[in-house]
Amino acid sequence: DAGITQSPRYKITETGRQVTLMCHQTWSHSYMFWYRQDLGHGLRLIYYSAAADITDKGEVPDGYVVSRSKTENFPLTLESATRSQTSVYFCASRSTDTQYFGPGTRLTVL
Amino acid sequence: DQQVKQNSPSLSVQEGRISILNCDYTNSMFDYFLWYKKYPAEGPTFLISISSIKDKNEDGRFTVFLNKSAKHLSLHIVPSQPGDSAVYFCAASGVRTSGTYKYIFGTGTRLKVLA
Repeated sequence: DAGITQSPRYKITETGRQVTLMCHQTWSHSYMFWYRQDLGHGLRLIYYSAAADITDKGEVPDGYVVSRSKTENFPLTLESATRSQTSVYFCASRSTDTQYFGPGTRLTVL
Repeated sequence: DQQVKQNSPSLSVQEGRISILNCDYTNSMFDYFLWYKKYPAEGPTFLISISSIKDKNEDGRFTVFLNKSAKHLSLHIVPSQPGDSAVYFCAASGVRTSGTYKYIFGTGTRLKVLA
């Protein structure tokens, strides 16, 4: 299917564990983004990537690591999960001026 | 510092009436603005956009107005339908002025259209 997919859709983990959220797009868009959505904060940018092997920090990057070895994939890793990272995570890719979002991953850190 | 603000967390409107969602921004470098709609358990979907060279953009029932001097934009939905019930996010970027491809999002307004 064309578009942008995220996996897993739901994840429960424990404090201190490493977690990787996957994002895959089929359009070959250069730009990709990771956001987290929290009540009262809207969508906040964690990291973004302008192309393969080019990444940069967004508003709230602490505790997260990204990589982009291939244009179509942009995984987000929580190296040591904390309760404050409980959130809904959205991946997006961008064509010209419009961003297209994936369905989201709901992550709960116990 | 919230650069994009949606001061109304929620709004209820009767079916068939107009819904007006507001958004304010503080950064004068922003030159492109978008509205996204989000249903529960889904990702945001693009709704409508406007460039700073315009003051109005219309797409069917949706119209976005931009007042640059007031740093304010609004989304009008006419007529409102129950299927419009969702959270609406305003977003801004300064891609043409600063070269950044980052969007700054507001906190969202939950619209409920009553049948």
